[in-house]
Amino acid sequence: GENVEQHPSTLSVQEGDSAVIKCTYSDSASNYFPWYKQELGKGPQLIIDIRSNVGEKKDQRIAVTLNKTAKHFSLHITETQPEDSAVYFCAQTTGGFKTIFGAGTRLFVKA
Amino acid sequence: ETGVTQTPRHLVMGMTNKKSLKCEQHLGHNAMYWYKQSAKKPLELMFVYNFKEQTENNSVPSRFSPECPNSSHLFLHLHTLQPEDSALYLCASSQVATAEAFFGQGTRLTVV
Repeated sequence: GENVEQHPSTLSVQEGDSAVIKCTYSDSASNYFPWYKQELGKGPQLIIDIRSNVGEKKDQRIAVTLNKTAKHFSLHITETQPEDSAVYFCAQTTGGFKTIFGAGTRLFVKA
Repeated sequence: ETGVTQTPRHLVMGMTNKKSLKCEQHLGHNAMYWYKQSAKKPLELMFVYNFKEQTENNSVPSRFSPECPNSSHLFLHLHTLQPEDSALYLCASSQVATAEAFFGQGTRLTVV
């Protein structure tokens, strides 16, 4: 069946360094790839997304890349700050509403 | 605040109780979802409602019963739950055309 693999499960970086989280997917019909940030005690919050007709998208310190041929997409956070510490989830969506999530990456940014 | 409100935030219930979780969205979306989030597991999609019609039921046990009376409200009725059903239950909504989903804060459910 469809699944999304996410790596690493835990990532620790020094403040100011970059963080990269990678995901691979299996459903070639997927056309929408969102990334969510979940802080303790809160629901996941959409932080950036990319659609299948685009290879890269950037929003300030956050960027996402998509390689449809290889079926993988990545989240890049530059100049990390302690408030970036959270759990990050990648996801794939097919048909507008069927969304499958990765297992999550716990990011620690050390001051 | 994402425009999706879930109540209650916390719920403790016995295995013989009946309770309901409520979700309300103020975003004008036409699809609503229930997800289960357990420790160290990916978010599990439970139910999808598209224009009030259930379009997805991911093999969820019948002790979980969803209800969508209109496109702004979603309920999850619970009865005869098991301790392994303890988890964070998340509601989300989206506009099907864009697929951007917004989540509520979740209900932390503990079954004793």
